[in-house]
Amino acid sequence: DTGVSQDPRHKITKRGQNVTFRCDPISEHNRLYWYRQTLGQGPEFLTYFQNEAQLEKSRLLSDRFSAERPKGSFSTLEIQRTEQGDSAMYLCASLSGSSYNEQFFGPGTRLTVL
Amino acid sequence: AQSVTQLDSHVSVSEGTPVLLRCNYSSSYSPSLFWYVQHPNKGLQLLLKYTSAATLVKGINGFEAEFKKSETSFHLTKPSAHMSDAAEYFCVVSDPDGFQKLVFGTGTRLLVSP
Repeated sequence: DTGVSQDPRHKITKRGQNVTFRCDPISEHNRLYWYRQTLGQGPEFLTYFQNEAQLEKSRLLSDRFSAERPKGSFSTLEIQRTEQGDSAMYLCASLSGSSYNEQFFGPGTRLTVL
Repeated sequence: AQSVTQLDSHVSVSEGTPVLLRCNYSSSYSPSLFWYVQHPNKGLQLLLKYTSAATLVKGINGFEAEFKKSETSFHLTKPSAHMSDAAEYFCVVSDPDGFQKLVFGTGTRLLVSP
């Protein structure tokens, strides 16, 4: 399968714990996006990487959130000191450098904070 | 700021009847518009996209959408619904000159009855 993959698919954690998610984009795609989708809502943009550079962060991304994309390949999203409000589906998408191309989405990581 | 409004949270149709999912957009740029579909426990899939070429856009699985600048609308249609069309549909706008962050509507759940 050469699509976008995310790991884990599900994560249950207790409030206050740290969690880390991984996204592997389509190999030739140099742009990578993270979105968050809460129940009954559309996905909301969190952050964007072009190669290894993080070029944009949403105000939704509080100081407890950090994302990296070392070497411009896979990306990780870490949430420190999780809160119940962090419970959501975290989606990763990748895009090749050309304009007007579609973003390909991974299956998402569903986070539940107890 | 760019935004989209999906006018119906739920649409119910019978199998074999037409589908209409409504979307209005707001954009200070010449917008790129998309429709994505999300089946339960599956990733987001692109149905079709408008990028300032033909105003009538044909997508996968018999769906099409018409861009109407005068009405700021981008409604999704299908002549005949199939049971497999039951899913969540998102109208999406992006900035073609920026880093192509996607802004999603709140979604329309399509229910198809036999």
